Amino acid sequence: NAGVMQNPRHLVRRRGQEARLRCSPMKGHSHVYWYRQLPEEGLKFMVYLQKENIIDESGMPKERFSAEFPKEGPSILRIQQVVRGDSAAYFCASSPKLAGSSYNEQFFGPGTRLTVL
Amino acid sequence: GDSVTQMEGPVTLSEEAFLTINCTYTATGYPSLFWYVQYPGEGLQLLLKATKADDKGSNKGFEATYRKETTSFHLEKGSVQVSDSAVYFCALMMGAGSYQLTFGKGTKLSVIP
Repeated sequence: NAGVMQNPRHLVRRRGQEARLRCSPMKGHSHVYWYRQLPEEGLKFMVYLQKENIIDESGMPKERFSAEFPKEGPSILRIQQVVRGDSAAYFCASSPKLAGSSYNEQFFGPGTRLTVL
Repeated sequence: GDSVTQMEGPVTLSEEAFLTINCTYTATGYPSLFWYVQYPGEGLQLLLKATKADDKGSNKGFEATYRKETTSFHLEKGSVQVSDSAVYFCALMMGAGSYQLTFGKGTKLSVIP
């Protein structure tokens, strides 16, 4: 069973360009989470999605950032008009639907390292 | 808000040395506590967890005990190996049905032969 896949692993963009980060969850997982790790910081929650639904986007910057998890295909984190401050590692995690579980273990991908020049 | 503080790295140890990585937390309520490990080029993997006070999580020779009185969850291993070289993250999650993990900054461990 393949793990969580993220691509690209490294992405370089110039200021003002768009960045698209992809995440394929583990097989059978219907919940996806995105986290961002700024330099010298811990991972910070950004957004939680289920298929075709955004459940919680309380950690997403209000402008330029959007996320989706379509019925078919990977989850996409999209950053428009990137700025230098967007340079970070972006991690995706997925979890299965566990009815009645008090904790859904999140399985993490290797991350995408975004560098904005 | 909830937060996790872990010791600054990097930490360099000789093989077979004793390892402690300190982790303390601030939370309203009683969180579940976790240690994740990230090996070079890979994603974070759950190493161990504890869901209530005095629980001890253990895996691969690593242990951590949930101490409510000191709000701590220190990671220990009696004898480290070169293969333990990685970045270790302490994290918490609040309450049943929650999903937001709050992470510390990570501690890079290098074990030399």
